[in-house]
Amino acid sequence: DVKVTQSSRYLVKRTGEKVFLECVQDMDHENMFWYRQDPGLGLRLIYFSYDVKMKEKGDIPEGYSVSREKKERFSLILESASTNQTSMYLCASSSPLAGDWYEQYFGPGTRLTVT
Amino acid sequence: AQSVTQLDSQVPVFEEAPVELRCNYSSSVSVYLFWYVQYPNQGLQLLLKYLSGSTLVKGINGFEAEFNKSQTSFHLRKPSVHISDTAEYFCAVILNTGNQFYFGTGTSLTVIP
Repeated sequence: DVKVTQSSRYLVKRTGEKVFLECVQDMDHENMFWYRQDPGLGLRLIYFSYDVKMKEKGDIPEGYSVSREKKERFSLILESASTNQTSMYLCASSSPLAGDWYEQYFGPGTRLTVT
Repeated sequence: AQSVTQLDSQVPVFEEAPVELRCNYSSSVSVYLFWYVQYPNQGLQLLLKYLSGSTLVKGINGFEAEFNKSQTSFHLRKPSVHISDTAEYFCAVILNTGNQFYFGTGTSLTVIP
């Protein structure tokens, strides 16, 4: 089974802090994604990556950056956390080379609260 | 532009009753369609998917969905729900040319004993 893990289930940070959210997948997937989930808004794509050191902006990249130094790890960075970034963050991965290339596998999520 | 609409944000239903969760999409190109389920405090899990072929697809936990191209819909159904089906359900599409998912806003299904 594909496993996508996220470093924290719950995180509380102060406004202005730099925040790192880590995601690791163990299936050698090329694609990795970061979403935020908010009530009434569903999932919105922040950034995604097709390969190591490659990144693409999603629908709401403002205030975020990402890093992918290794294939299995995709980090989301909040350079200066703000209260409007309080949300659930979900990581996902997929592989264009697999038979089910389109299917995304999700981690359990990190609930971030910025105070 | 692509969009996915889930008109019902909350659906309460009694245990053992049938349920339908609605999903409509708009796209100028062919799409693949998915339903994901999110149980409380968990990530998303694939429920079922439509890629091609038969328009009626069956998924896990007794759920099924029907693709209707003319109405651009992909409604999710279950003939008899259980308490354990209480969860958030997301409809999603992916273009057959790309990797990006477009998610609906979700439907919260609450099964009442």
